[in-house]
Amino acid sequence: NAGVTQTPKFQVLKTGQSMTLQCAQDMNHNSMYWYRQDPGMGLRLIYYSASEGTTDKGEVPNGYNVSRLNKREFSLRLESAAPSQTSVYFCASSEAGLGQGTWEQYFGPGTRLTVT
Amino acid sequence: SQQGEEDPQALSIQEGENATMNCSYKTSINNLQWYRQNSGRGLVHLILIRSNEREKHSGRLRVTLDTSKKSSSLLITASRAADTASYFCATLMDTGRRALTFGSGTRLQVQP
Repeated sequence: NAGVTQTPKFQVLKTGQSMTLQCAQDMNHNSMYWYRQDPGMGLRLIYYSASEGTTDKGEVPNGYNVSRLNKREFSLRLESAAPSQTSVYFCASSEAGLGQGTWEQYFGPGTRLTVT
Repeated sequence: SQQGEEDPQALSIQEGENATMNCSYKTSINNLQWYRQNSGRGLVHLILIRSNEREKHSGRLRVTLDTSKKSSSLLITASRAADTASYFCATLMDTGRRALTFGSGTRLQVQP
């Protein structure tokens, strides 16, 4: 039982390049989330998916797109990276979704992204 | 803006002392949760308290919730060097977005 896994762990991009961050969970959770964490700050929600087939914007969605590929996988895409997107990106999942379940979240180890 | 704000931003104590962190929030909530983040790692869930609960315990952790003041506190008793980490509160609002909103965190340093 690996929990929440993220790839890659580190990435350096040039301004304007694109990339996709991958996230997978093996806990049969309904909801999945993408956050970014900037130095000395808390987490800000980028996008989330309350169930397979649905996605919703969070606090800071501009410059990002997401895909809930199936119940296990939730990817985050940067179409044209900017230096302001330099951050640590965390994926998380929780049992709860549109129906019942617990709301505690399980986090992946993070992806450290630098955009130069 | 962040729904939850922690206080203090940083706290340094000696091993064996108690550590208290506070969290304030702005809107009506379904539940409030506390998470720990060790340096360079992801967040780990510590404890959840529902809006109709006033106090909850888990091992050396004690959480209180005062919905009239829109505030919560996390007490870690008999702290250990291994408790050194950042601690975040997160709220699930009563209506609307089905996702947590995190505060900015308290950095706890426990000196051995």
